[in-house]
Amino acid sequence: QVQLKESGPVLVQASETLSLTCTVSGFSLTNYGVIWVRQPPGKGLEWMGIIWRNGNTDYNSALKSRLSINRDTSKSQVFLKMNSLQTDDTAIYYCTRDRGPPGWYFDFWGPGTMVTVSS
Amino acid sequence: DVVLTQTPVSLLISLGGQASISCRSSQSLVHSNGNTYLHWYLQKPGQSPQLLIYQVSNRFSGIPDRFSGSGSGTDFTLKISRVEPEDLGVYYCLQRTHNPWTFGGGTKLELK
Repeated sequence: QVQLKESGPVLVQASETLSLTCTVSGFSLTNYGVIWVRQPPGKGLEWMGIIWRNGNTDYNSALKSRLSINRDTSKSQVFLKMNSLQTDDTAIYYCTRDRGPPGWYFDFWGPGTMVTVSS
Repeated sequence: DVVLTQTPVSLLISLGGQASISCRSSQSLVHSNGNTYLHWYLQKPGQSPQLLIYQVSNRFSGIPDRFSGSGSGTDFTLKISRVEPEDLGVYYCLQRTHNPWTFGGGTKLELK
């Protein structure tokens, strides 16, 4: 069945770079895109970016200068890197599958990984 | 960026009752292809969001018909009838018509 799982550090220092991995199973990254969404503690959801099934990427303009997403299709992994971290980057980070056309919704989600940025 | 405003922020509903959540957009969510990419999610406590409704009114696989979505343009509504304990959590609308894709602020459904 379709599964996604995020992994990475629990604690990162301010000004450093966050590296997260989303490992997927039950589908191919060449057939579906993967999206990153984050949620600060007790707050709402923010779309960060997407890596499309063809490998192209799109980013939220608010994060574009600090964010990169890429993948290793042979390992079924998607990678998020975000630099110049600040304390307000503390959040649960989710990866989710892009269903693509015609519905264009995010269907399956990982459980999320909590990242704390320490000053 | 498109701002989605959800009201109310919180809802107290009795078991078996009906809930209605509004999601209003700062601009039309009709895409240039004529479709409207407004979706609804439920985030249960301690869990990741789950898809309920896609493209305004289509129930996702396995979602009971107690959940229904409606609306057009800038005004959208999610209705939950015969509320059950497993419906509790925070409901979010998401628009994917305009980049950046944005979520509403959320509506927390609690039992009275």
